[in-house]
Formats: sequence, structure tokens, C-alpha cells
Amino acid sequence: AQSVTQPDIHITVSEGASLELRCNYSYGATPYLFWYVQSPGQGLQLLLKYFSGDTLVQGIKGFEAEFKRSQSSFNLRKPSVHWSDAAEYFCAVGARTNAGKSTFGDGTTLTVKP
Amino acid sequence: GAVVSQHPSRVICKSGTSVKIECRSLDFQATTMFWYRQFPKKSLMLMATSNEGSKATYEQGVEKDKFLINHASLTLSTLTVTSAHPEDSSFYICSAFALVSGSEQYFGPGTRLTVT
Repeated sequence: AQSVTQPDIHITVSEGASLELRCNYSYGATPYLFWYVQSPGQGLQLLLKYFSGDTLVQGIKGFEAEFKRSQSSFNLRKPSVHWSDAAEYFCAVGARTNAGKSTFGDGTTLTVKP
Repeated sequence: GAVVSQHPSRVICKSGTSVKIECRSLDFQATTMFWYRQFPKKSLMLMATSNEGSKATYEQGVEKDKFLINHASLTLSTLTVTSAHPEDSSFYICSAFALVSGSEQYFGPGTRLTVT
């Protein structure tokens, strides 16, 4: 069965500082990987996704993530955080054989200090 | 990008009544729609997978008779919470999936259900 672990429940960074949110997955083959952002009381917005090819993927809002097969990781990064980035971030893994169905991590809450 | 709407965005109902939540894909046809439940400060829990014209597939532990799902067309799925109780209060989110999207789900904005 597929699973996702986000080790950091809550992260606080200063505005302008760099950010890395960790995500580890468990899946028997090469998965589809996603990062989503959720603001309070809102739905999920896709930041970026990895299906195949280049393991460094660029997303919206200046985010990027790197797929590392050897570490079963898909960490999200941003070089300079803005106050508007404060939100909940979810990593998800989707099965290639069950298109569309994804398993989500528990999320990481990002707080941005002025 | 593809847009998914949910209606209503918020609903308050009395214990024992039923509530229907609609999920619509506005600019594409969704072969599959998913229904999730999210508790405060928690991740999304998949409740069921809904395919147009067929019965929904429920995840383990989700009561089929309580959470009725109907996927009548390629753009509309509904979730009906029957005989609602306060413990059913939650944030319900749907997502729509189309083969042309390359295994990407598009999420609705969510529905906040409060049962009093």
C-alpha cells in the first residue's frame, strides 16, 4: 500500500528566508507525486507534480521539488518565503495503476514571521 | 486550469436531517470524482471514489448508507449525508479527475458542514 510521511508538523521561517518541507513516500514502483497548498477554509491548490522525466520540477509561486528515488523523497523548496506563503502544505502520492486516487500526508503548517 | 465548484460552501443543519453537497466540474468532463473528509488540523481522508454511471467505491470504514454518492453525469457528483449527527460535522472536499489531465486531480473549494 502507498503511504506518505511529512515529518514536520509545523515549521516557522522568517520572511525572505529559504524553505524546505520534507516528504517521504512508500510505493512499490515509481509513483506520481504532488504538492498542494491549502489556505484556511479553502480547497487545495496544486503547486507542482512529478510524473516522469526531470527529477527537479518547477511549480507555481516560485516553488520547486526534487524527486529522489534512492531516498524515497520529494521535498518542496522555495528560496525566499513571502508572508502570503503561510498555509498548510500537503504532499501526496498517486498510483499509476489507479489513476487519480491519491494518498495524502498529514500536512505541514507553515508560519511566516515578519 | 480546470475548475471544480462545490455547493453549498457552508451549511448548518439540525441533527437527523439530510444534507446534499454538489460537486461540479465546470469546464471539463470528469471520468472520476473523489470525496474527501478533512478534520481540523488533519489531512484529507478519502471517503469514496465515484465514477459516472456506476456505483461509488467506498473506503474501508465509510458507511455507504450514511454517505450516499451519486455521479449522474460527467460533470456532477453529489454527496448526501443522511440522518446527520454532530459527529458528521466536518469539511468535505471533492476532486475531479479526467484522463486527459494526466492523473491530476482538480479540487473543489470545500463545504463546511455543521450539524447542530
